[in-house]
Amino acid sequence: GDSVTQMEGPVTLSEEAFLTINCTYTATGYPSLFWYVQYPGEGLQLLLKATKADDKGSNKGFEATYRKETTSFHLEKGSVQVSDSAVYFCALSEGYGNKLVFGAGTILRVKS
Amino acid sequence: NAGVTQTPKFQVLKTGQSMTLQCAQDMNHNSMYWYRQDPGMGLRLIYYSASEGTTDKGEVPNGYNVSRLNKREFSLRLESAAPSQTSVYFCASVGQNYEQYFGPGTRLTVT
Repeated sequence: GDSVTQMEGPVTLSEEAFLTINCTYTATGYPSLFWYVQYPGEGLQLLLKATKADDKGSNKGFEATYRKETTSFHLEKGSVQVSDSAVYFCALSEGYGNKLVFGAGTILRVKS
Repeated sequence: NAGVTQTPKFQVLKTGQSMTLQCAQDMNHNSMYWYRQDPGMGLRLIYYSASEGTTDKGEVPNGYNVSRLNKREFSLRLESAAPSQTSVYFCASVGQNYEQYFGPGTRLTVT
């Protein structure tokens, strides 16, 4: 079945450091890919998405490119802020039943 | 637009009690979902509704029932709560590119 694997956390960075959170997936078809962010005590918010190969999703300085050849969708940000501290989830949907398959989540901590 | 709303925000139940978690969306989406989130386990799908009038089991449906009351509302019912159902429950509705929009969650403790 479909699955999503994310790098384990927590990831601890200093403010203004470069961020990469790795995400790879296994799917039978051509899924849409997503990154969600969850701030403490809140629900998940859609951060960015890509619906086909080579698409780049971007939002709030975060980017991720849909790489079909490596089945990856790594999240990057050039300069993190303390306010980016949260849990980040990679997810995919093949469309059937519109079900989302989530990775386990990666905790990001940014120190000032 | 309120997006996805959930009530209540917090609830404490005793073992064996019942309750219903309410969810509503104002985005005219067809599909709605219920998840539970537990530490170290990510989100797990309990039930979903692909359209008004239909519901299907997800990954962890035991101990739960759902009702898709109309296009806007999708409720989750615990008939006889157990401590294993202590969790944070999220409702979501699905947009046209399969992106999901989540509610703020209900934090449930069963003692």
